[in-house]
This record gives sequence, structure tokens and C-alpha cells, in this order.
Amino acid sequence: EDQVTQSPEALRLQEGESSSLNCSYTVSGLRGLFWYRQDPGKGPEFLFTLYSAGEEKEKERLKATLTKKESFLHITAPKPEDSATYLCAVDLVGTASKLTFGTGTRLQVTL
Amino acid sequence: NAGVTQTPKFQVLKTGQSMTLQCAQDMNHNSMYWYRQDPGMGLRLIYYSASEGTTDKGEVPNGYNVSRLNKREFSLRLESAAPSQTSVYFCASSGRTSGYTDTQYFGPGTRLTVL
Repeated sequence: EDQVTQSPEALRLQEGESSSLNCSYTVSGLRGLFWYRQDPGKGPEFLFTLYSAGEEKEKERLKATLTKKESFLHITAPKPEDSATYLCAVDLVGTASKLTFGTGTRLQVTL
Repeated sequence: NAGVTQTPKFQVLKTGQSMTLQCAQDMNHNSMYWYRQDPGMGLRLIYYSASEGTTDKGEVPNGYNVSRLNKREFSLRLESAAPSQTSVYFCASSGRTSGYTDTQYFGPGTRLTVL
């Protein structure tokens, strides 16, 4: 069965304290891996798509990386406004672009 | 350019009542999706429409029906609401942003409570 697991479930950081979120997947035929940010009471907001092992993408304080079994979302020197739930999802070959989501990591960044 | 819009934002129903959740997108996307989000469960696909005129079941379709009214609009109907359908519902649409896969863009959600 295709599975997407995110860890940790929750993470509390101080402002400036860098860390990484993990998304591991056991799927066959990965076509793409997506990262989304979700603020409370809002819909998921698209951040990145990664397609192949070794690929990296950056946006401000966020950098996403992909290996054959997992993806990391690195957060460098986070600020309180980075507080949100971060979701990863996989798009599999032969699924008409349907996404399978993980349950997310709730990130809180404090002053 | 509003992206994906959903109505209503909030709704409270009694068990057995029916309602339709509306979704519209202005990005000229072919594909549209309905998800539900429950604590600890992640986003789960209810139904999707790969193109105008087609709909298919997702992971959790029981108790729901959908209509792809035109390219812009995709509605989700609860014929006889049950407390287990209390959830946050998200609509999404997708378009090709690379040669490999589509990117899904989400609406703001509808928070539904069934008493």
C-alpha cells in the first residue's frame, strides 16, 4: 500500500533555530512530490514540487530536497511567520494526478 | 484572478439534511478535486474530475455525489448528512506546470458540522 509519513507531528523552534521536517514515502512509481503550507483556517498553499532524487528547490528560508525514499524541508533561521502546518503529498504514475497526502508537521516558531 | 473559491465558508446541518458545496476556479484548469480534512487523517480525496464531463471516485466517496457543471465549476452534494461527515472540505484544481505532473491549487475550505 502506498504510504506517506511525516515526522515529527509537531515541532517547536525558537526564532533563528534551524531544523528539518521529514516526509518518507513507500510508493511505486513516484511522479512528483509536493510540499504545501497550511495556515489555521486556510487551504493548503503550494510551495514546491520535486521530481527526481537529488533535486533541491529553495524559497526564502525554505529548502526542499528529495531522495529515493524521503524528502526533507529544511527551515533556516525561521521566523514566527513561518509557523504553520507543512504537508507533503505524492503524485504517482497512473493515478491521473491524484495526490496522496501525509498528515503534516505542525511548526511553531517562537520569539 | 481569485484562484479557487468555495461557498459557503461555514455550515451547520442536522442529520438527514442535504446540501451542496460549491467550487469555482478561474485558472482555466481541466482537473478539479474535492477533499475532506479530519484531525490526524490528512487530506483524503472524495471525488475528482479529470476534465469537463467526467467524474471519478476517490478514496472516500460514500455519502457524496458530485457534478462538474462546466469547466469552471465542480460541486459536492451531501444527500443525507451524517455526523461522520463533519469535516473541513477543500476543493482544488490543477494545471500542468511542467512536463511531468500537475500542481493542485486549493480553495479556502468549507467547515461543515453535522449535528
